[in-house]
Amino acid sequence: DIQMTQSPSSLSASVGDTVTITCRANQSIDRYLNWYQQKPGTAPKLLIYAASSLQSAVPARFLGSGSGTDFTLTIRSLQPDDFATYFCQVSYNPPWTFGQGTKVEVK
Amino acid sequence: QVQLQESGPGLVKPSQTLSLTCTVSGASINSGPYSWSWIRQPAGKELEWIGRIRTDGTNYNPSLKSRVTISVDSSKNQFSLKLNSVTTADTAVYYCARVNFPSSHFDFWGQGTLVTVSS
Repeated sequence: DIQMTQSPSSLSASVGDTVTITCRANQSIDRYLNWYQQKPGTAPKLLIYAASSLQSAVPARFLGSGSGTDFTLTIRSLQPDDFATYFCQVSYNPPWTFGQGTKVEVK
Repeated sequence: QVQLQESGPGLVKPSQTLSLTCTVSGASINSGPYSWSWIRQPAGKELEWIGRIRTDGTNYNPSLKSRVTISVDSSKNQFSLKLNSVTTADTAVYYCARVNFPSSHFDFWGQGTLVTVSS
């Protein structure tokens, strides 16, 4: 199975900041990497698919990049609605796995 | 707009079978190229993919494969999850989701349903 290491597990930031979250796979997954946002008590929401494609209706301040084993989610000009937990997900071949999550908190 | 809704018992006794159904609206469950998945999340923990069903078969997480069955009822536009021999470790919020092609991302999710395993 492909293992994902997501970092950091949490970070503190202020409105207007740029934050970066990374996921690293233990083998090449081409661009089969997706990013989700989850708020307490709600289902995850798809932000980015295929490493860098922005899901419909997701603000352009969310940017995905990377290929192979190293991937990054960047949130530019953090907004109050962006304080949440973010997960990466490998979709190369089943079994699909998720990262451990990064909680973005208010500084 | 595609919508998914989980339903089923919120409490299951240890050693029994957990059974959930996901009702899909706004899309036909038989329409390709999508597939349909179950995912779970224990409280405060990461998401765990359980399995998926598509027109040509199923895939399961090896960690659960011996206990899991996912099936489709096309006449009701539903798909279902059965997890046998449950223990307290199976307590989690269970989500159903649509899997999009070709990058196999989960683009639509149900709201989730909490299943507690307890005697």
